Amino acid sequence: DIQMTQSPSSLSASVGDRVTITCQASQDISNYLNWYQQKPGKAPKLLIYDASNLETGVPSRFSGSGSGTDFTFTISSLQPEDIATYYCQQYDNFMYTFGQGTKLEIK
Amino acid sequence: QVQLQESGPGLVKPSETLSLTCAVSGYSISSGYYWGWIRQPPGKGLEWIGSIYHSGSTYYNPSLKSRVTISVDTSKNQFSLKLSSVTAADTAVYYCARHDPQNGSFDYWGQGTLVTVSS
Repeated sequence: DIQMTQSPSSLSASVGDRVTITCQASQDISNYLNWYQQKPGKAPKLLIYDASNLETGVPSRFSGSGSGTDFTFTISSLQPEDIATYYCQQYDNFMYTFGQGTKLEIK
Repeated sequence: QVQLQESGPGLVKPSETLSLTCAVSGYSISSGYYWGWIRQPPGKGLEWIGSIYHSGSTYYNPSLKSRVTISVDTSKNQFSLKLSSVTAADTAVYYCARHDPQNGSFDYWGQGTLVTVSS
């Protein structure tokens, strides 16, 4: 099975900061990598699909990049409403695996 | 707008079978996409359980495969999860979701339902 290593596990940043989260796959997954935002008590929300495509309605300050085994998720200018836990998720051969999550807090 | 709603018992006894149903509105299951179940133990991360196509084709997480059955009822536009021989480790919020088999993204989710395994 493909393992996903997401880092950091937690992150504290100030409003307006650029925030970066990384996700590494244990083997090549091409661009089959998606990113989600989960706020407390809520279901996850799809932000980025196919590593770099912004889901409809998602603010442009969110972006994703990468392919193969190394992927990056970026918030260009952190807003108070971005406080949440973020997960990467890979797809390979009818198997779906999520990263461990990154809890983002305001400094 | 696509909406999903989970329903089922919130408390299940150890060794019994957990049963949940996901009602879909705003989209016909028969029109395509896959339909899946994901769970999240309290304070922990997300785990994919399994998925089904409207034809009935299923695929499951190998770690749960021996205990999981997912079925679909297109006439009611809903799909269901059964997880047998539950233990306390199966206590979690269970989500149903729609997903795109091309890129594996889960684009619409239910609100989730907490299932506690306890005697």
